[in-house]
Amino acid sequence: DTAVSQTPKYLVTQMGNDKSIKCEQNLGHDTMYWYKQDSKKFLKIMFSYNNKELIINETVPNRFSPKSPDKAHLNLHINSLELGDSAVYFCASRQGPPTNEKLFFGSGTQLSVL
Amino acid sequence: AQKVTQAQTEISVVEKEDVTLDCVYETRDTTYYLFWYKQPPSGELVFLIRRNSFDEQNEISGRYSWNFQKSTSSFNFTITASQVVDSAVYFCALHNTDKLIFGTGTRLQVFP
Repeated sequence: DTAVSQTPKYLVTQMGNDKSIKCEQNLGHDTMYWYKQDSKKFLKIMFSYNNKELIINETVPNRFSPKSPDKAHLNLHINSLELGDSAVYFCASRQGPPTNEKLFFGSGTQLSVL
Repeated sequence: AQKVTQAQTEISVVEKEDVTLDCVYETRDTTYYLFWYKQPPSGELVFLIRRNSFDEQNEISGRYSWNFQKSTSSFNFTITASQVVDSAVYFCALHNTDKLIFGTGTRLQVFP
């Protein structure tokens, strides 16, 4: 069983569309994250949720809205997609507290905006 | 400011060579945690090691070893007798509050 699973793996769409990426973890973790990896491989945190509550929002545009229906799921909705949104998006989760526990990552969703 | 610097963008070696990936960090915290992750060509991020700031002992795991030196704020990673399967992008990261701050990564290519 995959610990952190995200779907879809690949997402190709036109500018202006709205799309969602889903993430589920079966590890029983309380905290989940979304990270964005750009074309230069730079990894940057976007959001963090703890027990369905937003903990971190790293000045991400309002077009990005995370939703956590329960602590095992953290979905990412993106409205009015732009070319610059093309990247690989990683979902992650961790056990804890403490907050310094390692992150378990999903396999990534490669988003291409045309 | 919290920051992680991986100055080596790309390293190429031939199989069986030893290779060291550098990582330098900045933090004002007295207690902190450092990590290394591997990202193979398949794309997933694989946890390699976590080290806290109170433990300066070097760690060895098979062909992998880590050298943590607080005096120089470095947490370097050495692969001994490299293999083609070691080809990947390697990320050093610093734990800050509730998130990981990643370095820009070092792409390692091991040629047969």
